[in-house]
Amino acid sequence: DIQMTQSPSSLSASVGDRVTITCRASQGISNSLAWYQQKPGKAPKLLLYAASRLESGVPSRFSGSGSGTDYTLTISSLQPEDFATYYCQQYYSTLPTFGQGTKLEIK
Amino acid sequence: EVQLVESGGGLVKPGGSLRLSCAASGFTFSSYSMNWVRQAPGKGLEWVSSISSSSSYIYYADSVKGRFTISRDNAKNSLYLQMNSLRAEDTAVYYCARDRIAVAGTRDFDYWGQGTLVTVSS
Repeated sequence: DIQMTQSPSSLSASVGDRVTITCRASQGISNSLAWYQQKPGKAPKLLLYAASRLESGVPSRFSGSGSGTDYTLTISSLQPEDFATYYCQQYYSTLPTFGQGTKLEIK
Repeated sequence: EVQLVESGGGLVKPGGSLRLSCAASGFTFSSYSMNWVRQAPGKGLEWVSSISSSSSYIYYADSVKGRFTISRDNAKNSLYLQMNSLRAEDTAVYYCARDRIAVAGTRDFDYWGQGTLVTVSS
């Protein structure tokens, strides 16, 4: 199985800050990477796919980049509704795997 | 509007069985691969199983292989997960989720249900 490692596990930031979350795969995944946002008690929401493609309806302050084994999710200017847990997920393998999550909290 | 509605969760004793259902609407169900993803209380997301649009390809996580069976009924727009030999570590919210791309499938997930809680406890 491909292991996905996110960092940091948690992050405190303020409204307006620029934040970056990193995801590292245990082997190359050829940009087959998605990012999800999950709020407490809710289902995950797809933000980006193919590492950098924004899902329809997702604000442009979210962006993704990376290649090979290393990928990042960037939120350019945090809004109050962005405080949530974020997960990366690889779908390069037949058996998809998620990162452990990054909890983004208000400072 | 795409909707996925799970049902069938509940409390079951270790070693018991449970069958989850996911009713789909608002899209051509028979064109999409479908998936089950679970989340233990306070934990992260874990993909459980996938089934292709025509049921030709089925995959399981190692943690459930041999105990869980995924199936679908395209005539009823429904996805199922038969869970046998349940263990305490299977306790989780179970989500059904749609593959983002029809037919070919990609196993990234653009629509999710609200989830159904399965609790395995004596």
